[in-house]
Amino acid sequence: GQQLNQSPQSMFIQEGEDVSMNCTSSSIFNTWLWYKQDPGEGPVLLIALYKAGELTSNGRLTAQFGITRKDSFLNISASIPSDVGIYFCAGPGPSGSRLTFGEGTQLTVNP
Amino acid sequence: NAGVTQTPKFQVLKTGQSMTLQCAQDMNHNSMYWYRQDPGMGLRLIYYSASEGTTDKGEVPNGYNVSRLNKREFSLRLESAAPSQTSVYFCASSEAFQQYFGPGTRLTVL
Repeated sequence: GQQLNQSPQSMFIQEGEDVSMNCTSSSIFNTWLWYKQDPGEGPVLLIALYKAGELTSNGRLTAQFGITRKDSFLNISASIPSDVGIYFCAGPGPSGSRLTFGEGTQLTVNP
Repeated sequence: NAGVTQTPKFQVLKTGQSMTLQCAQDMNHNSMYWYRQDPGMGLRLIYYSASEGTTDKGEVPNGYNVSRLNKREFSLRLESAAPSQTSVYFCASSEAFQQYFGPGTRLTVL
């Protein structure tokens, strides 16, 4: 089946630093989704990407749909303590509504 | 508009006990899902329901059953709980591929 590999698995950064994480797939995706899970909560959709090469921003977050359609990237600029959480990439499988999730990147921001 | 709600928030069971986790959504979505999340792991799909009246197995269905009671509600049942089922359980709903998650149920099986 489809697999998504996220890296890094965890990051420890200082407040104000920029963050980059990525997600790679063994197969082509037509849509990429990035979710954030706050501690003790369910995941929330941050950004959706629909087209190869697309670059989309949501505040300090920017995500890109890789040209090969097998990868995606998420950047966070000028991190703040509330950026702490787990960031998941996801993509729909052949059936459409079912999602495959990566294992997540755990982000810790030190004030 | 509450989105996706789950009950209970926390539960402790003894091995062999049974329980049902409840999920409801008020967004009129056709599809609903049950995931489990274990420390250091991503979300693994247990069961899903593409529409009212249908259910299908996901990646890790063993030890679980589900019921799509109506369009709003999708319940997950553990018939005989095992320690390996200690986890956080999330329900989600979607129209197309954008899924919306509930707050989770934290289950411990002793």
